[in-house]
Amino acid sequence: GAVVSQHPSWVICKSGTSVKIECRSLDFQATTMFWYRQFPKQSLMLMATSNEGSKATYEQGVEKDKFLINHASLTLSTLTVTSAHPEDSSFYICSARDSAYYEQYFGPGTRLTVT
Amino acid sequence: TQLLEQSPQFLSIQEGENLTVYCNSSSVFSSLQWYRQEPGEGPVLLVTVVTGGEVKKLKRLTFQFGDARKDSSLHITAAQPGDTGLYLCAVAPRARWGKLQFGAGTQVVVTP
Repeated sequence: GAVVSQHPSWVICKSGTSVKIECRSLDFQATTMFWYRQFPKQSLMLMATSNEGSKATYEQGVEKDKFLINHASLTLSTLTVTSAHPEDSSFYICSARDSAYYEQYFGPGTRLTVT
Repeated sequence: TQLLEQSPQFLSIQEGENLTVYCNSSSVFSSLQWYRQEPGEGPVLLVTVVTGGEVKKLKRLTFQFGDARKDSSLHITAAQPGDTGLYLCAVAPRARWGKLQFGAGTQVVVTP
C-alpha cells in the first residue's frame, strides 16, 4: 500500500514551452501533497504545499506564476512549469500525506530537461 | 544556516565495513526521520524516531535519537553494495506546520 506515482518519469522540452507533471496517490487519499525540487548532488528543497480544493502555498523564493499547482481531487496534484528555461531543469519529486494516518509518501520523481 | 547538519557529506567504503552518518541540530524535535534515496528515484522512509535515547534497528541499520532529541545517527554494520545511496535526515518542525525539512544528505558508496 501507500504508493505514489508520478507521470512522466522524464521529459525533455524546449525553452519557452510548458510542462505538466502529475502526482497521484494510488491507494489512499491525500488532502495535502508537496512538491520538491532536487538539483544534482543536493538535497530536496520544498517548493510548495498543495491542498485539495484550495490554493497552493509556496515557499519563499518560488515563483507561483511559473510553477502552477492544481490539486483538484484527493488523489491528484499537478505541477505545471510554465515558460520553461534551462535553469528549470531538475528532478521534481512529489509526496502525498495520507489523510488518515498523517504519514508522507514520496513519488519516484520526474526528471525535467529544458533544452 | 541549515536546520539540520549532516556529516559526512560523502562516504566511500568497502563491502563489509561499518559506517556511521550523523544528523545534528541546535533545535529540539518531537521526531526525526531517515530516508534513503537511490539515483533517479524518490526517497524511501527508513525509520521515524520519536523518543529521546531511542534506538531502532532495521536489519543491519541502527538508528539512534539523542537524549535531548537534537541529534541522530545511523550506523550500518557490514555494509553491502545495496546500501549505496543518499541518506537524508528530515524533521517536520511545528513552526513549519509539519512540512518536512531535509538535511543536506550523506552520499554513501559501498564498493564490492
